[in-house]
Amino acid sequence: GAVVSQHPSWVICKSGTSVKIECRSLDFQATTMFWYRQFPKQSLMLMATSNEGSKATYEQGVEKDKFLINHASLTLSTLTVTSAHPEDSSFYICSAMRLAGWNEQFFGPGTRLTVL
Amino acid sequence: DQQVKQNSPSLSVQEGRISILNCDYTNSMFDYFLWYKKYPAEGPTFLISISSIKDKNEDGRFTVFLNKSAKHLSLHIVPSQPGDSAVYFCAASADAGNMLTFGGGTRLMVKP
Repeated sequence: GAVVSQHPSWVICKSGTSVKIECRSLDFQATTMFWYRQFPKQSLMLMATSNEGSKATYEQGVEKDKFLINHASLTLSTLTVTSAHPEDSSFYICSAMRLAGWNEQFFGPGTRLTVL
Repeated sequence: DQQVKQNSPSLSVQEGRISILNCDYTNSMFDYFLWYKKYPAEGPTFLISISSIKDKNEDGRFTVFLNKSAKHLSLHIVPSQPGDSAVYFCAASADAGNMLTFGGGTRLMVKP
């Protein structure tokens, strides 16, 4: 159990276009999902915390108008990179928190975004 | 300011020997610590965790030690196997349900 999926796993897009990444908890309900970004050879950096039914909380330095997060249901959160530019190319990872005893975060497999 | 630090970017160990990965933190509010294993182009996989009420937690070949006074934790893998080769991240939170702060990662290479 506790599987988190991401779709797509890999996407290439042209500069100026928007890309939507989906994060799903497959076998549990997640009231909170997190979005991370990882640059090559660097650690995971938290971008935002997404709570079902409310606005996401963004970390300092993350543009909320550029990285739109929607958490419409207990099993789905989406990250939309709007007007993507080459500097947005990165590995985006989501995690979902399961409320069971110790609240645990389970990570998705990640999405590789390349903006040309 | 990095609140969670892994000072060794890489570690090389012979198969069968012990691997010790270290992690230091500065935020005294952290009371829940986790270790994740990550392969390239994949999401992190949870390995083991420890709460601040304990100083040791063991799960098979993996043991995590916590020294609260030193704000230091370590992950011991014994015996190390080539399949353990990956990047290991330690993470900390102020409570079990809160957001995680990750260290920079340590690349472990286990040689046959």
